Amino acid sequence: AQTVTQSQPEMSVQEAETVTLSCTYDTSESNYYLFWYKQPPSRQMILVIRQEAYKQQNATENRFSVNFQKAAKSFSLKISDSQLGDTAMYFCAFMYNNNDMRFGAGTRLTVKP
Amino acid sequence: NAGVTQTPKFQVLKTGQSMTLQCAQDMNHEYMSWYRQDPGMGLRLIHYSVGAGITDQGEVPNGYNVSRSTTEDFPLRLLSAAPSQTSVYFCASSYSGGASNSPLHFGNGTRLTVT
Repeated sequence: AQTVTQSQPEMSVQEAETVTLSCTYDTSESNYYLFWYKQPPSRQMILVIRQEAYKQQNATENRFSVNFQKAAKSFSLKISDSQLGDTAMYFCAFMYNNNDMRFGAGTRLTVKP
Repeated sequence: NAGVTQTPKFQVLKTGQSMTLQCAQDMNHEYMSWYRQDPGMGLRLIHYSVGAGITDQGEVPNGYNVSRSTTEDFPLRLLSAAPSQTSVYFCASSYSGGASNSPLHFGNGTRLTVT
């Protein structure tokens, strides 16, 4: 079974600073996809960034970047220059067969002014 | 472009009642799915469909039924609601299950309370 673990239930960061959210996963598959989703208080699920396992280069999207370590099965999210609008729940997700996306339990991030 | 539309946004049921959560998408996506979100457990897949007439079970299918008669609609039915089904339900869709160029698009969720 594929499992996703987010070991940090809650985190906080000062505005303009950098924070890293951790995610590990367990799979025997070699080709799969990893995602980070953001859920603000509005409850909407917003895709932040995605990574294909066959790509060695870490994905980046503006202030968001990942550190993908395939051998260690680790997929952390780095948020640079944190903004108040980044306050949200962040979910790491894993998918390998195009049909079944597994989510971690989430990390609640608070950006403090 | 409406995207993924879920109705209702909130619902309160009594134990044993039945109801249908509606989900519709206007993006011509083949893949649609239902998740439930519970505190401390993230989102768990209930059922999914890869096209009209095709459905399959996810991680937590018990107590729920689905059907996919059209590409646009994917309703989720609770036949006999139980307090354990109190949760927030999300519908999602994509061209091909979320891979590479087709990420999952989520609806805004339905908060269901079963008393």
